Amino acid sequence: GNSVTQMEGPVTLSEEAFLTINCTYTATGYPSLFWYVQYPGEGLQLLLKATKADDKGSNKGFEATYRKETTSFHLEKGSVQVSDSAVYFCALANYGQNFVFGPGTRLSVLP
Amino acid sequence: DGGITQSPKYLFRKEGQNVTLSCEQNLNHDAMYWYRQDPGQGLRLIYYSQIVNDFQKGDIAEGYSVSREKKESFPLTVTSAQKNPTAFYLCASSGLESYGYTFGSGTRLTVV
Repeated sequence: GNSVTQMEGPVTLSEEAFLTINCTYTATGYPSLFWYVQYPGEGLQLLLKATKADDKGSNKGFEATYRKETTSFHLEKGSVQVSDSAVYFCALANYGQNFVFGPGTRLSVLP
Repeated sequence: DGGITQSPKYLFRKEGQNVTLSCEQNLNHDAMYWYRQDPGQGLRLIYYSQIVNDFQKGDIAEGYSVSREKKESFPLTVTSAQKNPTAFYLCASSGLESYGYTFGSGTRLTVV
C-alpha cells in the first residue's frame, strides 16, 4: 500500500540556519506529493506540491523536488525564521485514493 | 473567498453527551473528510465522503457518526460511545487529487 515516512522531530534550529526535513514514500503508480504546514492551534495549510517526477514545488522560500529514483520529496529552506516554527507534514495522493500523510515533523526556530 | 469553515473553534462536552461538529465548504468540492489529531500526533482518518448521501468509515470510526445531505456540509457527531473524545478535529475537502486537500481551522473538543 501507500505510505509516507518523515524524519523524526523535533528539529531545533537557530534563525538563518539551513533546513532539511526528509520525506520518503512508497506508492504504486505516479502519485502527487505535498508538503503541508500546521501552525499552533490551526489547521493544515498547503505549502507546496509536485505532481510528477522531477517537478520542484516552491513557496515562501521552501522547496522540494519530486525524486522518483529515490522515492523522496525532501523539504528545504535556505534560511529559516522564527515564524517558520510549526509542524510540517509530507503527504501523497494517488488517483482514486485518499491522501496518505506522514506523522509530521515539529520545527522550532530559535532567535 | 472560497474556503472551509469549522465551528465551533472550542467545544466542551460532558461525559455521556453527544456533540456535533460543523464543517461547511464553498469550494464546490465533491469529497470531504474528518480527521482526529491528538497532541504531538499525526492525523487519523475518521470518516470520508466522496459524494452526497454516501460516506465511508476511516481508520477510527468507532464512536463517531456523520451525514452528507448536502455537498457543502459534512457534520461529525461524537457520540457517548467514543471513550476518549478529547482531541483536535480537522475537516478537509478536495476536488481533483493534484490540487490537494483544503483544511478547516479545526475544532478542539474537551471532555469535562
